Amino acid sequence: AQKVTQAQTEISVVEKEDVTLDCVYETRDTTYYLFWYKQPPSGELVFLIRRNSFDEQNEISGRYSWNFQKSTSSFNFTITASQVVDSAVYFCALSFYTGGFKTIFGAGTRLFVKA
Amino acid sequence: ETGVTQTPRHLVMGMTNKKSLKCEQHLGHNAMYWYKQSAKKPLELMFVYSLEERVENNSVPSRFSPECPNSSHLFLHLHTLQPEDSALYLCASSQDLNTGADTQYFGPGTRLTVL
Repeated sequence: AQKVTQAQTEISVVEKEDVTLDCVYETRDTTYYLFWYKQPPSGELVFLIRRNSFDEQNEISGRYSWNFQKSTSSFNFTITASQVVDSAVYFCALSFYTGGFKTIFGAGTRLFVKA
Repeated sequence: ETGVTQTPRHLVMGMTNKKSLKCEQHLGHNAMYWYKQSAKKPLELMFVYSLEERVENNSVPSRFSPECPNSSHLFLHLHTLQPEDSALYLCASSQDLNTGADTQYFGPGTRLTVL
């Protein structure tokens, strides 16, 4: 069965600290997609990144970076030099094919960045 | 307008009222979704439509009734709700359920309070 686990419910850091949000997934499929979304207090989920299962290259986008490791079924997200505006709930998601692609979300990690 | 819009943003209703939530996507996508997000709970997928056809209904009570008149619009009709139905209702759209390009783009949500 497919599953996404975000074991960290809440994380609190001080501005300028680096922080890593963990995501572990389970699937037997060889083709799947992984996502990260950000949900600020306004409520809208904002798409951050999509990765397919054949591309294990790490990605960096500004202060954000993602580490995809199939060997440990993890897709971790690191924010470097965190800022107050990074405070939000972050969701990891897994998309897999079952007669059409289906996406399941992890429970989310709430990140507090204090000034 | 761009992206996914939802109206109203906030709704307060009594248990005997009938109301509707509206979602509109301006992205040319073929699939649309309704999610429920309750406090301290994971995102719950309620309904999925692909090309105006319902493809998923996750055991949602009949007091929630979706309608998808065309690929750009999605409604959620509400009647005789319960206080536990109070939540943030999020609409999303994606390009196509049959490709991996199913990144979901979310609207800002409707914050529903049932008295």
